[in-house]
Order: sequence, then structure tokens, then C-alpha cells
Amino acid sequence: ILNVEQSPQSLHVQEGDSTNFTCSFPSSNFYALHWYRWETAKSPEALFVMTLNGDEKKKGRISATLNTKEGYSYLYIKGSQPEDSATYLCASADNYGQNFVFGPGTRLSVLP
Amino acid sequence: EAEVAQSPRYKITEKSQAVAFWCDPISGHATLYWYRQILGQGPELLVQFQDESVVDDSQLPKDRFSAERLKGVDSTLKIQPAELGDSAMYLCASSRDRNNGNTIYFGEGSWLTVV
Repeated sequence: ILNVEQSPQSLHVQEGDSTNFTCSFPSSNFYALHWYRWETAKSPEALFVMTLNGDEKKKGRISATLNTKEGYSYLYIKGSQPEDSATYLCASADNYGQNFVFGPGTRLSVLP
Repeated sequence: EAEVAQSPRYKITEKSQAVAFWCDPISGHATLYWYRQILGQGPELLVQFQDESVVDDSQLPKDRFSAERLKGVDSTLKIQPAELGDSAMYLCASSRDRNNGNTIYFGEGSWLTVV
């Protein structure tokens, strides 16, 4: 079973600050890496699906990069807003067709 | 926008009772997942269906948990008897097919508290 880790576990930032967090996954036999945003009382929302080494994706103020050789992905939020407060989950799958394994998430709180 | 529907949103049940959760995936999605999420941890896959067939239930505690997707559309997850350690959120999700590059769409989850 894949081991997916995320850091930090939680963080608090001030409104307007930029921030980033990390997802680490096994680099061997990598297939896909997903990022989700999960706001309280809502369903997890897909942000990005990334498959290629060096891939970089952007959605508004949120962007993500992928390094499949060393097994990590960064999620960046530029100019954090209170509505960005959520738990950010990553999930990795290998090319044996194993289902996604989720990391434990990074809980972000953006203070006004 | 199409959504994954789940019910009930909240359920409180006594230990040793039976409890069931229902999920209706996005129309046309062949793959359906049930996840369990305990506070502080990431979602853990319980069972995955491809149409009406189970393709992965390796993490499903089969002595007390069962899942079915009889017509390959909606699905039911049952726990009998419920134990205190089953208190968690149960998330249903669906995707177009089993390709792990496809986006997975989640429902809002069902909170279970066993007392």
C-alpha cells in the first residue's frame, strides 16, 4: 500500500500572505497525483490531476507543481483569503492500477 | 452541475445496531467508491465498484460491513453490528471509469456516531 505524507499538518496564515505545502509519495511506478480542497460541511473538491514530471497547473490563485522523480508535489496559494480556509488533500496512485491513497491532509486557516 | 448524492448526512446509532448509507453517483459514472475518513487522517478506501462488480474490497471489514451496487447505479453500504470504532465520516465518490487519471467526484459524506 502506498504511503502518502503531507506537511505541515496544519498552518495559520494572515489574509494576503502566500503559502505552500507539500505532498510526498513513492516515486517508483508513479501514475497520477491529485489535489483536493475540502471545506467544512462540503464535499471534497478536485483541484488538479497531475501525471507528468515537471507538470505545473494553475487555477486562479492556486497552483501546483509535480516532481515524480523525487516524489513530491507542492501546492501554492498566492494572496491567501479567508475563503481558502480548508483541508487540502493529495492522493497518489501507482501504475499497477492501485487505487488512490490519500495523505492525511494539510489544514489551512486564513485569518482576516 | 451534477453531484454525488449521499444520505443520511448524519446518523447516530447505538452499538450493535445496524446502519446503512446510500449513494447515488453522477449519472454515467461507472466507478463508485466508498471511503471512510477518521478525523486527522486521510480518506481510506473501503470498497470500489466498476458497474455492479466489486473490484477492490481489500480494506472492507467483511465481518460487519457489506456493500452492494445491484444495478450498477446507486449503492448501499451497511454496517451490522455497529461498533464504537466505526464512528467516522463515510464518503461516497464516483468517476467516469477506473483510470486513475480521471477526476473523482465526492459526495458531502455521511457522519456516523456510534454510542
